[in-house]
Amino acid sequence: QVQLLQSAAEVKKPGASVKVSCKASGYTFNSYGISWVRQAPGQGLEWMGWISGYNDNTDYAQKFQGRVTMTTDTSTSTAYMELRSLRSDDTAVFFCARALAVAAIGAFDIWGQGTLVIVSS
Amino acid sequence: SYVLTQPPSVSVAPGQTARITCGGNNFGSKNVHWYQQRPGQAPVLVVYDDSDRPSGIPERFSGSNSGNTATLTINRVEAGDEADYYCQIWDSSSDRPVFGGGTKLTVL
Repeated sequence: QVQLLQSAAEVKKPGASVKVSCKASGYTFNSYGISWVRQAPGQGLEWMGWISGYNDNTDYAQKFQGRVTMTTDTSTSTAYMELRSLRSDDTAVFFCARALAVAAIGAFDIWGQGTLVIVSS
Repeated sequence: SYVLTQPPSVSVAPGQTARITCGGNNFGSKNVHWYQQRPGQAPVLVVYDDSDRPSGIPERFSGSNSGNTATLTINRVEAGDEADYYCQIWDSSSDRPVFGGGTKLTVL
């Protein structure tokens, strides 16, 4: 079945970087894009950005510009989200979600299970 | 940036109908999507493009969009429907997706 499988939880120190993976299966990876969504503890959903599985075009939310990089490896149908210069308020669950290949327009129909990232000294 | 307004909480007895609203300017021209997020789980798409249901979502879930308000309606509410519900749109002015703040549905 169609699914997105994310990497395991991470604990990082302030100032470090984290790279979360999202492996797709059950569909043609390069026919869709992947959006990344952050959810801080007890808070709502926050869109971080999107990457096309077709041509690697990216679009980042202004809040994360300069601190986030999204990439893909089409050979393994995997998307990655790297967040740098981590702060304690980056502690959150990060989700990947399937989106359109041309832009983050439209609904996100398949979601990964989420990856908890804890930033603590 | 575009703001989507949802009530923080809605309570309903089992078997009754729950209505969760999502408001914004010039809403009728935008496609609205709804997600259910049970505690400790990932969001699940329950309604897309205002009123369409993905396969596997019960017919009890329906959506509408008129004027400045979109509504997610859950008929014959069950205990398992207790969750947070988020609306989402594409903001064409910023070319970005936007989520509402979420509504906690409590089944009494």
